Amino acid sequence: DQQVKQNSPSLSVQEGRISILNCDYTNSMFDYFLWYKKYPAEGPTFLISISSIKDKNEDGRFTVFLNKSAKHLSLHIVPSQPGDSAVYFCAATPFGGGSEKLVFGKGMKLTVNP
Amino acid sequence: ETGVTQTPRHLVMGMTNKKSLKCEQHLGHNAMYWYKQSAKKPLELMFVYNFKEQTENNSVPSRFSPECPNSSHLFLHLHTLQPEDSALYLCASSQPGAIYGYTFGSGTRLTVV
Repeated sequence: DQQVKQNSPSLSVQEGRISILNCDYTNSMFDYFLWYKKYPAEGPTFLISISSIKDKNEDGRFTVFLNKSAKHLSLHIVPSQPGDSAVYFCAATPFGGGSEKLVFGKGMKLTVNP
Repeated sequence: ETGVTQTPRHLVMGMTNKKSLKCEQHLGHNAMYWYKQSAKKPLELMFVYNFKEQTENNSVPSRFSPECPNSSHLFLHLHTLQPEDSALYLCASSQPGAIYGYTFGSGTRLTVV
């Protein structure tokens, strides 16, 4: 049973527009959430995170929103750029990030068209 | 070198072969991990090592045998694999008990024929 779900396998957007990537989780113990970005032939790299004590975290063009009651988070990229084309993984962990055990979703492939 | 380095980048092996994947980190971390990424599946945690001791084995079949001789090196020994074991195997490292600074290697693309 998947604890972290990324139900849409892919998303295609035009350069300059907003990209919204969604993630749902089922485990109530999760209280720290991360997004990773993966280019082909490279390992995932950390992008942005959010603690359950917040509902929004922003870093430049990237914003993550957390809705605890719905067990849902989303990553917004504004404006989207062709270099953002990659696979994005949502991940969750308990204990406020004090655990090294990350649970990942399947990933979503984002394509940003010039 | 810096970061987490995995070798080889690609590996094709027969079901009766024995091979090993290698992971090396130069980040001063004391926890290392093996993950498996199969097509259309989540990244699956296989093994966790803290200070060279295995602390987690996520019900991984015995045909996968990890080895951690020191905090900087991690191996995954493979024998009598099945075609369904074909996947991207990712190594990662961090400080124990923390996801901050969690760093992945580029992975080994394994094909079992």
